[in-house]
Amino acid sequence: KNQVEQSPQSLIILEGKNCTLQCNYTVSPFSNLRWYKQDTGRGPVSLTIMTFSENTKSNGRYTATLDADTKQSSLHITASQLSDSASYICVVSERKNTGFQKLVFGTGTRLLVSP
Amino acid sequence: DTEVTQTPKHLVMGMTNKKSLKCEQHMGHRAMYWYKQKAKKPPELMFVYSYEKLSINESVPSRFSPECPNSSLLNLHLHALQPEDSALYLCASSQRGREAGGDTQYFGPGTRLTVL
Repeated sequence: KNQVEQSPQSLIILEGKNCTLQCNYTVSPFSNLRWYKQDTGRGPVSLTIMTFSENTKSNGRYTATLDADTKQSSLHITASQLSDSASYICVVSERKNTGFQKLVFGTGTRLLVSP
Repeated sequence: DTEVTQTPKHLVMGMTNKKSLKCEQHMGHRAMYWYKQKAKKPPELMFVYSYEKLSINESVPSRFSPECPNSSLLNLHLHALQPEDSALYLCASSQRGREAGGDTQYFGPGTRLTVL
């Protein structure tokens, strides 16, 4: 069964500190992996997208890594800000026979940045 | 314009009511999606429209009826809902339709639906 698991479930860090969120997946065949940020009650916003051949992708203070061999990804947040408080969702695209890529969502990591 | 808009932001309805959720995008995207998201859970795909045609229906009950009047608009008609249908309903769009890969889905802010 295609699954995406994230850890930790929740995390509290002090403002200015760094943190790393983990994502393990079993989705196959694999197409690409995205990290989304979702504020409470809002829609997810894409942070990064990586295909099979990409190992790392940065977007400002966000850096995502991908190891397609071990089927693991991480999202590193540098110099955290209060506005980083949100849920971070790892989403893996599954390539289906119809050509449509169904997204398999992880359950997310809820990050709270404390002053 | 890289925005997906949804109206209303909040909706409270009784089980006998008929209401509609609306979604709009002006990015020229040809694929549009409806998702349902319960609290602290990931979004669940409901419907996919590709080039204004229903491409995927994830076995959604008939009390949810999608409609795509044109390439920019997506509606979700609601009738005879149950309290367990209360959730955040997200609309998303992506550039290409079913034949493409690697598209990023852009999500709207969602409609918070409460069924009494």
